[in-house]
Formats: sequence, structure tokens, C-alpha cells
Amino acid sequence: SQTIHQWPATLVQPVGSPLSLECTVEGTSNPNLYWYRQAAGRGLQLLFYSVGIGQISSEVPQNLSASRPQDRQFILSSKKLLLSDSGFYLCAWNAAGGADTQYFGPGTRLTVL
Amino acid sequence: AQKVTQAQTEISVVEKEDVTLDCVYETRDTTYYLFWYKQPPSGELVFLIRRNSFDEQNEISGRYSWNFQKSTSSFNFTITASQVVDSAVYFCALMVREGGADGLTFGKGTHLIIQP
Repeated sequence: SQTIHQWPATLVQPVGSPLSLECTVEGTSNPNLYWYRQAAGRGLQLLFYSVGIGQISSEVPQNLSASRPQDRQFILSSKKLLLSDSGFYLCAWNAAGGADTQYFGPGTRLTVL
Repeated sequence: AQKVTQAQTEISVVEKEDVTLDCVYETRDTTYYLFWYKQPPSGELVFLIRRNSFDEQNEISGRYSWNFQKSTSSFNFTITASQVVDSAVYFCALMVREGGADGLTFGKGTHLIIQP
């Protein structure tokens, strides 16, 4: 069966510091991968998606970037965090080729102080 | 562009009552997919159901049922005989195929509180 992991689970970072969040999927090959952000009291917003290694599409211009160095690894980064980057970050995957259901990881709660 | 509206920000009921969560969607695509996810306090999104735009059959799974009506662009979710464990934030979401990947458009969620 497929599983999706995210780490760290929680993170507190000062403004201006760098960020690296990691997401890995097990039990499947060539998945589509997604990063979503849930700000406090708001719905989920799609940030990035990837259909393959090195292929990243951005949905919202912002202070963040994403990379996919391996087939089942998706990384969310920032060079300098802003207060507005605080939120709950969720990684998701689905099978390539069809409008398949997305399955979500446990999330990372980021607080920028 | 797609849009999902969950007009109920918060609903509070007493255990064993029935409760319906509303979802209205907007899309110009003729092929689309609708989802409901549950977000318990732990934060992880749990998949509940998926419906395709060409299948309007309603579905029942235990105490959960879903009413999909294309005529009103609605995909409502009913919990029968609610239980405290049903307390969570529930999200309705819409997916259309664009550019090779399947981004979800979420509503803002309905916070459901089941009081004992």
C-alpha cells in the first residue's frame, strides 16, 4: 500500500531564516506530487505541483519554491521566511495519467516569528 | 476558473442529530470530479468520497450519505445519527484536468461540532 510522509511535523523559525520541508511517498512510482498551504482560518491553497522529476509548476507567485530531486521526493523551500509564510503545509500525491484521488500526508505546522 | 463555496462556517449539533453540510461548486468544464475530505484536530486530510460529473447517483456509506445534483451544482454531505467522533472540519473540493496534473480547488471548510 502507499504511504506519504512529511517532516518535520512542526517547525518554529525566525523571520528571514531559510526553510526546507520534505515529503516522500512510498509504494508507488511516478506519482503526481502537490504542496498545499492552509493558513489559519482559511481553506487550502495549491502552491506547487509536479508530474515528474525536475518538473515543477507554480500556482501562486510567492516567497517559496519547490523541487523534485527524486521520483518520490518533493521539497518545499524558502531562502528567507516571512511572517505570512506561517501555516499548515500539506503534501499530497495521486497516480499519474488520470484524475485520480489525491491522498494527503500528515502535514507540517510552520510558525514564523 | 473553478470555485467551491461552503457557506456554513461552523455547525454545532447535539449527538445523534442528523446534519447536512452544503457544498456548491462552479466550473465551465463538463468533466470534473468532486470530493469530500475530513480534517480531524490532528490536521491530516482524510479522503471520504469522490464523484464524477457524469455519475449523479447518490451514495450511502454507513451513516454518511452524499447528494450530488448537477442542476443546482451542489454536492451535499449528510451525517445521520451524528457522533462525537464526527467532530472535525469538512472540506468539499473540485478537480478538473488542466495541463497534466490535477489541482484541487477547496472550499473554506465547515467546522462541525458534535456535542455529547
